Amino acid sequence: EAGVAQSPRYKIIEKRQSVAFWCNPISGHATLYWYQQILGQGPKLLIQFQNNGVVDDSQLPKDRFSAERLKGVDSTLKIQPAKLEDSAVYLCASSFWGNSPLHFGNGTRLTVT
Amino acid sequence: DQQVKQNSPSLSVQEGRISILNCDYTNSMFDYFLWYKKYPAEGPTFLISISSIKDKNEDGRFTVFLNKSAKHLSLHIVPSQPGDSAVYFCAASDRAGNTGKLIFGQGTTLQVKP
Repeated sequence: EAGVAQSPRYKIIEKRQSVAFWCNPISGHATLYWYQQILGQGPKLLIQFQNNGVVDDSQLPKDRFSAERLKGVDSTLKIQPAKLEDSAVYLCASSFWGNSPLHFGNGTRLTVT
Repeated sequence: DQQVKQNSPSLSVQEGRISILNCDYTNSMFDYFLWYKKYPAEGPTFLISISSIKDKNEDGRFTVFLNKSAKHLSLHIVPSQPGDSAVYFCAASDRAGNTGKLIFGQGTTLQVKP
Protein backbone atom coordinates (compact mmCIF):
# COMPACT_ATOMS: atom_id res chain seq x y z
CA GLU A 1 0.00 0.00 0.00
CA ALA A 2 1.48 3.35 -1.04
CA GLY A 3 1.67 5.89 1.76
CA VAL A 4 0.59 9.51 1.92
CA ALA A 5 2.59 11.52 -0.61
CA GLN A 6 3.54 15.14 -0.03
CA SER A 7 5.52 17.65 -2.04
CA PRO A 8 7.74 19.53 -1.93
CA ARG A 9 9.86 18.16 0.95
CA TYR A 10 11.48 21.50 1.65
CA LYS A 11 10.61 25.09 0.80
CA ILE A 12 12.35 28.34 1.67
CA ILE A 13 10.56 31.62 0.97
CA GLU A 14 10.73 35.22 2.10
CA LYS A 15 8.02 36.72 4.26
CA ARG A 16 5.04 38.08 2.36
CA GLN A 17 5.57 35.56 -0.46
CA SER A 18 3.08 32.80 -1.17
CA VAL A 19 3.59 29.04 -1.08
CA ALA A 20 1.55 25.93 -1.81
CA PHE A 21 1.82 22.36 -0.59
CA TRP A 22 0.36 19.28 -2.22
CA CYS A 23 -0.89 16.04 -0.68
CA ASN A 24 -2.07 12.75 -2.19
CA PRO A 25 -3.68 10.52 0.45
CA ILE A 26 -3.74 6.75 0.61
CA SER A 27 -6.12 5.36 -1.99
CA GLY A 28 -9.61 4.93 -0.61
CA HIS A 29 -9.09 7.17 2.40
CA ALA A 30 -12.03 9.53 2.65
CA THR A 31 -10.71 11.72 5.46
CA LEU A 32 -7.75 14.06 4.94
CA TYR A 33 -6.05 16.31 7.47
CA TRP A 34 -3.47 19.10 7.35
CA TYR A 35 -1.41 19.56 10.51
CA GLN A 36 1.17 22.20 11.37
CA GLN A 37 4.10 21.16 13.54
CA ILE A 38 6.24 23.96 14.93
CA LEU A 39 9.66 22.95 16.22
CA GLY A 40 9.43 21.51 19.73
CA GLN A 41 5.64 21.19 19.65
CA GLY A 42 3.18 18.50 18.72
CA PRO A 43 1.23 18.61 15.45
CA LYS A 44 -1.73 20.99 15.47
CA LEU A 45 -4.74 20.41 13.24
CA LEU A 46 -5.32 23.12 10.65
CA ILE A 47 -8.13 21.60 8.60
CA GLN A 48 -9.97 18.32 8.16
CA PHE A 49 -11.79 17.16 5.02
CA GLN A 50 -14.31 14.36 4.67
CA ASN A 51 -14.29 13.58 0.94
CA ASN A 52 -14.29 17.10 -0.53
CA GLY A 53 -16.18 18.78 2.32
CA VAL A 54 -14.62 20.64 5.25
CA VAL A 55 -15.32 19.04 8.66
CA ASP A 56 -13.20 21.29 10.86
CA ASP A 57 -11.20 24.41 9.99
CA SER A 58 -11.54 26.16 13.33
CA GLN A 59 -7.76 26.56 13.76
CA LEU A 60 -6.96 27.58 10.20
CA PRO A 61 -5.81 31.24 9.98
CA LYS A 62 -8.24 32.01 7.21
CA ASP A 63 -6.85 35.46 6.50
CA ARG A 64 -3.73 33.86 5.04
CA PHE A 65 -4.25 30.10 4.81
CA SER A 66 -6.53 28.29 2.39
CA ALA A 67 -7.01 24.65 1.51
CA GLU A 68 -9.01 22.69 -0.97
CA ARG A 69 -9.65 19.07 -1.81
CA LEU A 70 -11.09 18.92 -5.27
CA LYS A 71 -12.77 15.65 -6.29
CA GLY A 72 -12.22 14.28 -2.78
CA VAL A 73 -8.70 12.99 -3.46
CA ASP A 74 -5.66 15.31 -3.69
CA SER A 75 -5.43 18.40 -1.54
CA THR A 76 -3.47 21.64 -1.61
CA LEU A 77 -2.69 23.98 1.27
CA LYS A 78 -1.74 27.57 0.45
CA ILE A 79 -0.25 30.36 2.52
CA GLN A 80 -0.49 33.90 1.22
CA PRO A 81 1.22 36.03 2.44
CA ALA A 82 3.62 34.03 4.61
CA LYS A 83 4.84 35.27 7.98
CA LEU A 84 7.98 34.32 9.90
CA GLU A 85 5.88 32.38 12.42
CA ASP A 86 4.60 30.09 9.64
CA SER A 87 7.98 28.34 9.64
CA ALA A 88 7.06 24.76 10.50
CA VAL A 89 6.59 21.28 9.10
CA TYR A 90 3.24 20.86 7.36
CA LEU A 91 1.98 17.33 7.67
CA CYS A 92 -0.77 15.76 5.64
CA ALA A 93 -2.57 12.71 7.01
CA SER A 94 -5.40 10.51 5.85
CA SER A 95 -7.63 7.85 7.32
CA PHE A 96 -10.09 5.33 5.90
CA TRP A 97 -12.88 6.77 7.97
CA GLY A 98 -13.12 9.41 10.65
CA ASN A 99 -12.19 7.30 13.65
CA SER A 100 -9.43 5.06 12.28
CA PRO A 101 -5.75 5.82 13.00
CA LEU A 102 -4.23 8.57 10.89
CA HIS A 103 -1.48 7.80 8.38
CA PHE A 104 0.94 10.68 7.94
CA GLY A 105 3.09 11.76 5.05
CA ASN A 106 6.70 12.85 5.57
CA GLY A 107 5.74 16.50 5.60
CA THR A 108 6.93 19.71 3.97
CA ARG A 109 9.44 21.73 5.96
CA LEU A 110 8.76 25.43 5.36
CA THR A 111 11.28 28.11 6.29
CA VAL A 112 10.15 31.73 6.06
CA THR A 113 13.02 34.27 6.12
CA ASP B 1 -5.06 25.58 26.30
CA GLN B 2 -2.95 22.42 26.26
CA GLN B 3 -5.46 19.57 26.43
CA VAL B 4 -2.81 16.87 26.07
CA LYS B 5 0.47 17.24 27.93
CA GLN B 6 3.70 15.31 27.89
CA ASN B 7 5.67 16.86 30.70
CA SER B 8 8.97 15.10 30.05
CA PRO B 9 10.69 16.49 26.95
CA SER B 10 13.26 13.71 26.97
CA LEU B 11 14.03 10.28 28.41
CA SER B 12 17.20 8.22 28.28
CA VAL B 13 17.28 4.49 29.08
CA GLN B 14 19.70 1.62 28.70
CA GLU B 15 19.08 -1.04 26.07
CA GLY B 16 17.08 -3.94 27.49
CA ARG B 17 15.49 -1.87 30.26
CA ILE B 18 11.94 -0.54 30.42
CA SER B 19 11.01 2.82 28.92
CA ILE B 20 7.98 4.56 30.42
CA LEU B 21 6.52 7.57 28.65
CA ASN B 22 3.76 9.54 30.31
CA CYS B 23 0.89 11.66 29.09
CA ASP B 24 -1.83 13.66 30.86
CA TYR B 25 -5.05 15.06 29.43
CA THR B 26 -7.66 17.49 30.66
CA ASN B 27 -10.69 16.96 28.42
CA SER B 28 -13.02 14.34 29.90
CA MET B 29 -14.70 13.95 26.48
CA PHE B 30 -11.61 12.18 25.10
CA ASP B 31 -12.40 8.51 24.66
CA TYR B 32 -9.66 7.26 22.36
CA PHE B 33 -5.93 7.59 22.86
CA LEU B 34 -3.01 6.85 20.58
CA TRP B 35 0.76 6.86 20.60
CA TYR B 36 2.76 7.82 17.53
CA LYS B 37 6.48 7.46 16.94
CA LYS B 38 8.42 9.91 14.81
CA TYR B 39 11.89 9.58 13.34
CA PRO B 40 13.74 12.68 12.00
CA ALA B 41 12.56 13.87 8.59
CA GLU B 42 9.66 11.41 8.61
CA GLY B 43 6.00 11.74 9.48
CA PRO B 44 4.58 10.29 12.71
CA THR B 45 3.83 6.56 12.56
CA PHE B 46 0.95 4.99 14.47
CA LEU B 47 2.17 2.73 17.27
CA ILE B 48 -0.66 1.66 19.55
CA SER B 49 -4.06 2.87 20.72
CA ILE B 50 -6.50 2.35 23.55
CA SER B 51 -10.19 2.99 23.95
CA SER B 52 -11.54 4.50 27.16
CA ILE B 53 -13.48 1.28 27.88
CA LYS B 54 -10.14 -0.46 28.51
CA ASP B 55 -7.34 0.21 30.93
CA LYS B 56 -4.61 -1.71 29.12
CA ASN B 57 -3.68 -2.63 25.58
CA GLU B 58 -0.66 -4.66 24.59
CA ASP B 59 1.12 -5.15 21.26
CA GLY B 60 4.40 -7.00 21.43
CA ARG B 61 6.92 -4.94 23.37
CA PHE B 62 4.51 -2.01 23.65
CA THR B 63 1.82 -1.64 26.31
CA VAL B 64 -0.39 1.36 26.89
CA PHE B 65 -2.07 1.90 30.26
CA LEU B 66 -5.01 4.24 30.80
CA ASN B 67 -6.09 5.67 34.16
CA LYS B 68 -9.30 7.55 33.44
CA SER B 69 -9.80 8.85 36.96
CA ALA B 70 -6.37 10.45 36.87
CA LYS B 71 -6.69 11.41 33.19
CA HIS B 72 -3.31 9.82 32.65
CA LEU B 73 -1.89 7.34 30.20
CA SER B 74 1.51 5.78 29.80
CA LEU B 75 3.42 3.82 27.20
CA HIS B 76 5.71 1.03 28.36
CA ILE B 77 8.37 -0.38 26.05
CA VAL B 78 9.95 -3.62 27.24
CA PRO B 79 12.69 -4.38 26.44
CA SER B 80 13.88 -1.11 24.96
CA GLN B 81 16.01 -1.31 21.82
CA PRO B 82 18.27 1.31 20.18
CA GLY B 83 15.87 1.39 17.20
CA ASP B 84 13.19 2.70 19.55
CA SER B 85 15.07 6.00 19.80
CA ALA B 86 12.62 8.54 18.41
CA VAL B 87 10.12 11.22 19.42
CA TYR B 88 6.93 9.78 20.89
CA PHE B 89 3.67 11.70 20.69
CA CYS B 90 0.60 11.01 22.73
CA ALA B 91 -2.69 11.93 21.03
CA ALA B 92 -6.35 11.92 22.02
CA SER B 93 -9.68 12.22 20.30
CA ASP B 94 -13.39 12.37 21.02
CA ARG B 95 -14.54 9.40 18.95
CA ALA B 96 -18.11 9.85 20.00
CA GLY B 97 -17.90 13.16 18.18
CA ASN B 98 -17.03 11.11 15.11
CA THR B 99 -14.55 13.51 13.58
CA GLY B 100 -11.30 11.60 14.03
CA LYS B 101 -9.59 14.86 15.00
CA LEU B 102 -6.48 14.16 17.07
CA ILE B 103 -5.06 16.48 19.72
CA PHE B 104 -1.34 15.88 20.20
CA GLY B 105 1.00 16.37 23.13
CA GLN B 106 4.35 18.11 22.73
CA GLY B 107 6.30 14.88 22.39
CA THR B 108 8.97 13.06 24.39
CA THR B 109 12.34 12.28 22.84
CA LEU B 110 13.43 8.77 23.81
CA GLN B 111 17.08 7.78 23.59
CA VAL B 112 17.94 4.13 24.08
CA LYS B 113 21.62 3.66 24.73
CA PRO B 114 23.36 0.43 23.60
